[in-house]
Amino acid sequence: ETGVTQSPTHLIKTRGQQVTLRCSSQSGHNTVSWYQQALGQGPQFIFQYYREEENGRGNFPPRFSGLQFPNYSSELNVNALELDDSALYLCASSAGTHYGYTFGSGTRLTVV
Amino acid sequence: DQQVKQNSPSLSVQEGRISILNCDYTNSMFDYFLWYKKYPAEGPTFLISISSIKDKNEDGRFTVFLNKSAKHLSLHIVPSQPGDSAVYFCAASEDQTGANNLFFGTGTRLTVIP
Repeated sequence: ETGVTQSPTHLIKTRGQQVTLRCSSQSGHNTVSWYQQALGQGPQFIFQYYREEENGRGNFPPRFSGLQFPNYSSELNVNALELDDSALYLCASSAGTHYGYTFGSGTRLTVV
Repeated sequence: DQQVKQNSPSLSVQEGRISILNCDYTNSMFDYFLWYKKYPAEGPTFLISISSIKDKNEDGRFTVFLNKSAKHLSLHIVPSQPGDSAVYFCAASEDQTGANNLFFGTGTRLTVIP
């Protein structure tokens, strides 16, 4: 049974560009959540997908969007990147309960 | 507005002694609380949780205490081991089913000294 894998592990983008981050959920997990962790902060909820539909959203602007595919893998897309978007982006999959959340190792995004 | 607060950014404890990590919250709608441990270059790992209907939950060396009236919870690790050295995040949710997001604190870096 594999865990949650995220790609890429590190990424550098220029302000104004667009980025796509990918997440492969743990086998059997139909729920995926994305979190942003800025330096020195705890993870902040971006949104959650359940069976390919958005199932909740945190306080992030519309330029943060997502997708969940039939195999429950997921993408996080960020348009018009800003310097403050530099952070660790974590994906977490679950079979539906909090204690079942499995986090990936994250993608470190740097916007210059 | 930080709804979950961990006011101690770091804690050092001797091996074999007790580690106590504290967490405060402001949202009275929080119904479920969790602790996660994070090693460098890894994602957070679930450690232990507690429902708002309980005031204590124990799992091996780890015990979480919840004081709803004070909006305070703590994680006790006894005895502390060097492998426990990590960043510990407190998290809370309004929903026990997992449908809602988790609110995380800013973390406490625990160092267990051999």
